Amino acid sequence: EAQVTQNPRYLITVTGKKLTVTCSQNMNHEYMSWYRQDPGLGLRQIYYSMNVEVTDKGDVPEGYKVSRKEKRNFPLILESPSPNQTSLYFCASSLWEDGETQYFGPGTRLLVL
Amino acid sequence: GENVEQHPSTLSVQEGDSAVIKCTYSDSASNYFPWYKQELGKGPQLIIDIRSNVGEKKDQRIAVTLNKTAKHFSLHITETQPEDSAVYFCAATPRGSARQLTFGSGTQLTVLP
Repeated sequence: EAQVTQNPRYLITVTGKKLTVTCSQNMNHEYMSWYRQDPGLGLRQIYYSMNVEVTDKGDVPEGYKVSRKEKRNFPLILESPSPNQTSLYFCASSLWEDGETQYFGPGTRLLVL
Repeated sequence: GENVEQHPSTLSVQEGDSAVIKCTYSDSASNYFPWYKQELGKGPQLIIDIRSNVGEKKDQRIAVTLNKTAKHFSLHITETQPEDSAVYFCAATPRGSARQLTFGSGTQLTVLP
């Protein structure tokens, strides 16, 4: 089944404790991205990657890091989480040639205390 | 950059009635306008989109209209059903693809049986 998976789905952590949210797609998509969803703000792009070893900042990159060492994986790293990073996070992927359809993962709900 | 405003934030309709969600955008260069549906506990899913060279597009009970002069676009759902209950997001981009979208804040649609 073609899908984007994220782990964990739910995470509670404390300020300053490094964490990684994994994202993996099995569709051989070149393009992957991370969004955060907050009430009243819609989805905002954090980082995106056009292919292996090619990443760039989205609209709200502060406090986040990403890496793209393999085509299928695009982890989101919070090296020193803060309470304002409490949010619902989505990973998405698409074929480079088909710019119209982004496939979203199921989301990761993060609470930073 | 692009700014997208979406109204209303919540919408309740009786089953069988029509629902309309409206969005305005700020960047006159925007040329791609998708709509996403997000069901509870899931990631957003593309339901319909429109490009700037088209004024209207239909797909069964769903239609999208675009007014470039006024810089607004709308989602129309006819003959609503309980399974249409979800959060709907509009988005816009001047880049012609879904890879760098600016999203609206979302509309919670509830279809009452």
